[in-house]
Amino acid sequence: DTAVSQTPKYLVTQMGNDKSIKCEQNLGHDTMYWYKQDSKKFLKIMFSYNNKELIINETVPNRFSPKSPDKAHLNLHINSLELGDSAVYFCASSQFHTDSSTGYTFGSGTRLTVV
Amino acid sequence: GEDVEQSLFLSVREGDSSVINCTYTDSSSTYLYWYKQEPGAGLQLLTYIFSNMDMKQDQRLTVLLNKKDKHLSLRIADTQTGDSAIYFCAESIGYGNKLVFGAGTILRVKS
Repeated sequence: DTAVSQTPKYLVTQMGNDKSIKCEQNLGHDTMYWYKQDSKKFLKIMFSYNNKELIINETVPNRFSPKSPDKAHLNLHINSLELGDSAVYFCASSQFHTDSSTGYTFGSGTRLTVV
Repeated sequence: GEDVEQSLFLSVREGDSSVINCTYTDSSSTYLYWYKQEPGAGLQLLTYIFSNMDMKQDQRLTVLLNKKDKHLSLRIADTQTGDSAIYFCAESIGYGNKLVFGAGTILRVKS
């Protein structure tokens, strides 16, 4: 039973399209995240939701809109896709605590290629 | 500031020890982590250390923390070919338990 699952695993789309990536976790965690990993493997946080409330929103273009219908799900919708959006997007979850030792549990990633 | 730096590449022979180094900038980080990423996979938490500790050992893994120099290292004893992967150092910053990652160190183990 996958702890953090993302769909789709691969996504190839044309510039200008709108696409969504879905994420679900069955760990009972109350916090979920989206990270972007670029071609140089650099990982940067985009968003975080705690109990459906947005708590971290880094400098991300407003073409990216996260949605958390409940604390087990965090989806990412991207409008007007650009070439520079090509990356691997990772969803993660954790139990929110200021001094957490548990780290994150990551999904296996969605490789987005914009052509 | 938020900045985590790592050496980019390390090559060792099977059976040797590997040491991956990391420096971080935020002295308020409570926990520091090491993650492993195999090709095409997500990140797997390997180990972590609480900021008031100097050392933590977990089977073949030893984490050393020098809080004064903001330096973290991961030692893998008896490195195996299955240890070949990218290793990320990360620090936990501020509200929301945001993890800031280094650029990753590619470990290649030669048999």
